[in-house]
Parts: sequence; structure tokens; C-alpha cells
Amino acid sequence: QVQLQESGPGLVKPSETLFLTCTVSGGSMSSFYWSWLRQPPGKGLEWIGFISYSGYTHYVPSLKSRVSISHDTSNNQFSLKLSSVSAADTAIYFCARHLDSGGNLYYFDFWGQGTAVTVSS
Amino acid sequence: QSDLTQPASVSGSPGQSITISCTGTSSDIGGYDYVSWYQQHPGKAPKLMIYDVTNRPSGVSNRFSGSKSGNTASLTISGLQADDEADYYCSSYTSSVTVIFGGGTKVTVL
Repeated sequence: QVQLQESGPGLVKPSETLFLTCTVSGGSMSSFYWSWLRQPPGKGLEWIGFISYSGYTHYVPSLKSRVSISHDTSNNQFSLKLSSVSAADTAIYFCARHLDSGGNLYYFDFWGQGTAVTVSS
Repeated sequence: QSDLTQPASVSGSPGQSITISCTGTSSDIGGYDYVSWYQQHPGKAPKLMIYDVTNRPSGVSNRFSGSKSGNTASLTISGLQADDEADYYCSSYTSSVTVIFGGGTKVTVL
């Protein structure tokens, strides 16, 4: 059974850069796409971006100028970098694996438990 | 304000059926058969319940079913059970090659 685990700081100061890492266990990263999503307190989900096993990335337009996703497949990890954070970036951040549905890419079948990030001075 | 519109809450008694709606536009729900639904219990990660409008991943009960008409998708839960009490989110592929979500619907089992 594939498991994902997010790690990173729970508190980030405004204007600084947020770094999160997702560690994948119980399976290989190969042949799959991997995403970061977030959920502000009491609100719905927002997709941030994905990285393919080959390293292709795609981001939501609203965050594209501030976000970068990378991976270290030898260690079964992928990471999120979000720059110039503000209070609006306070959320629970999830990493997730894309379902191999043979069609649409944007289904997420395995998720991490989520990590809470607060942006505050 | 979320991209897709869902009712804030829906409730039903055990054994009953309930339906959650999710309204978008012709650029998302109406344009593609790429709608999915997620169940999220408090403090937990979302769980994929429906994809491609009507398909259930392995292990998901057949009490959960999905449909779509025009710009509105729906999730029906039949034979409502206590453990179905959770938040439910719809999502759709968009013409911008992204995915968007609804604001979520809290299902209460009376």
C-alpha cells in the first residue's frame, strides 16, 4: 500500500519561502504523477501543481509565479517551494498521487495526512 | 468563493438516500466527463469516491454513485450510514488544463 508523508515547518514568516517535502513509501514514484494541494482553514481544496516522474511540471496559474515542485526519485521524495508567502497561504498542505485512470490526469488516489502551515510573524 | 458551487450542508436519516449537487460552467463540468468526488472525515485526508463522473475506485461502496447533466454533477449516497457523515468535495478538469474543487458539502446523518 502506497503511503505519503509530508514534512516541513509549521510556521513561516510573511515574505519568506515555504519548503515542504513528501516522502513516498510502499511503492515507486515511477510512471506516476505527483501533486501538492492545500486546504485553507474551513475552506475547500486547491490544487497547486504536479510533477511527473520524468520531471515535467505544471502549476495552477494563480500561483505559478511563486511555486516550484521538484523531485528526488532516488529517495522517493518530491518537494514544494512557495515563495513570498502571506497569510493567505496559511493552510493544510497535502501531497497526493495521481490515479492512473487511463484518461484524465487529475484524480488523486493516495494522499498524505496533511501538514498544517501557518504564515505569521 | 470556490470555483464549483456545492450546497453547504445536506442531511438525511439512516437508510435514506441523499444527493449532493455541484454546479460549474461549460469550461469545466459541462465541457468534460472528468468529474470526481472526495469524502473527507474531520482531520483526515480526502478519499477518492468517484471519478470520470460515474466510476468507483476499487473498494468504494456501490452505495455511492455519480451523474452529470449539463453543467451540474451530482453524488448520490443511498442507504445512508453513520460513517457517511463527512465533508464531500466535487472536482472537475478545466479548459485551462487544471483541476478545480467545490467548496464542500457537510453531510449529516440524523
